[in-house]
Formats: sequence, structure tokens, C-alpha cells
Amino acid sequence: QVQLVQSGGEVKMPGASVQVSCKASGYTFTNYGISWVRQAPGQGLEWMGWISADNGNTNYAQNLQGRVIMTTDTSTSTAYMELRSLTSDDTAVYYCLRDVKSLTMSGGPDYWGQGALVTVSS
Amino acid sequence: QAVLTQPSSLSASPGASASLTCTLRSGINVDSYRIYWYQQKPGSPPQYLLRYKSDSDKQQGSGVPSRFSGSKIPSANAGILFISGLQSEDEADYHCMIWHSSAWVFGGGTKLTVL
Repeated sequence: QVQLVQSGGEVKMPGASVQVSCKASGYTFTNYGISWVRQAPGQGLEWMGWISADNGNTNYAQNLQGRVIMTTDTSTSTAYMELRSLTSDDTAVYYCLRDVKSLTMSGGPDYWGQGALVTVSS
Repeated sequence: QAVLTQPSSLSASPGASASLTCTLRSGINVDSYRIYWYQQKPGSPPQYLLRYKSDSDKQQGSGVPSRFSGSKIPSANAGILFISGLQSEDEADYHCMIWHSSAWVFGGGTKLTVL
């Protein structure tokens, strides 16, 4: 069965960076992409960006351009999301989602990881 | 104005039906979009329910009961998630999503209470 298993929660200081990992299993990793979505406490869902596990192409949300980097390691079927220059506004649960491998394809996110709580606090 | 607007809450009785709306901003034509729906229970990640563009372009999520279905109301420029035969386990937050301007865009979510 499809599974996306994320790394654990983290506490970071303002100005620091955080990296969240997402290990995929149960499907051919390079046949799909990975989107990242975050949810601040008590708030709605915010899409952060997408990466193709096939060729590494990325598409980031405009408001995070320059602060977020998404990568994949096809040898371990793992996706990574790094967010830099953290502020308290970045406190949220971060989710990885299985998505299409090309943004020209039909389809969208289906399976979600369990989430990773990132807390930014001094 | 937000791209997608959902009512913040909705209540319905067990056994009844519920229609959850997802209204697209004026100028964005609902006919052109696949609308995705997710269910989220407290402390858990969202789960994919279905996507709907038309009766010939729709997909039910794996293992999702047929009492969950999608539709549209073109006159209201809205997508609908219809849940029939409501059960207590359907109490959750429901999120709609579309692909718009090269980004996935979510509505604010609707909290469905079954009582």
C-alpha cells in the first residue's frame, strides 16, 4: 500500500532552517511527484510547492520563492523540503503528498504523509 | 477575495444528507476546473475523497464510499461535495482544492458537525 512516512517534529529558533523528509513506499517513486502543504495551528491548508520525482523539476508557491527548496533522492525514494529564515509564522504541520510527476498531466494529490510539526520559537 | 470560499461550518443530523459548497471567485469559471475534496479528522492528515469536473471526468478515491459524491452548480459557480446517509464518523473538516495559476489552491475548509 502507498505510504509516505515523514520525519519527526522539530523546534527551531527564528532565523534558522528546517528540513523535513518524506520516505515513499508502495509505488514507483519516479512515476509521481511530491507536493508539500502546511497547516498552521487551527488554520486551513497552504500549498508550498511541488517537485517531480522523475526529473527534479520544481514549482514553488510565489510567497515562498527564495526560502524553500525541494529535492528528492530517488535511490531511497525520499523527498525533502527545506525552509529557511524561519519566523513564528512558519509554525505549522508540514505534509508531503503524492502528486503527478508532470504539471502537464491530469490528476492531483492523493496520498498524504502523517505530517511533521515544526515549531518556531525563541 | 479568496479564490475558493467554503462556509466555515455546517451541521446535519445522522442519516440526513449534506451538501458542502466550494465557491469559485468571480471570473474563475467552475466549468473549467477539476475540484478535489479532502476529509480531515482531528489530529490526522487530510484524506483524499474524490475529484469532480463533470460526470465524464470524475474519480472516487480508493475505498471511499459511494455516499460521497461530487457535482457542480454552474449558476452559483460552485462545486459541491454531497454526503448522503450521514454517519457520526463523517464529522470532520472538509477541504476543496483546484489547480489555478500554476498552484494548488485550497478553500478555507468546512467543519461538518453530525448531531
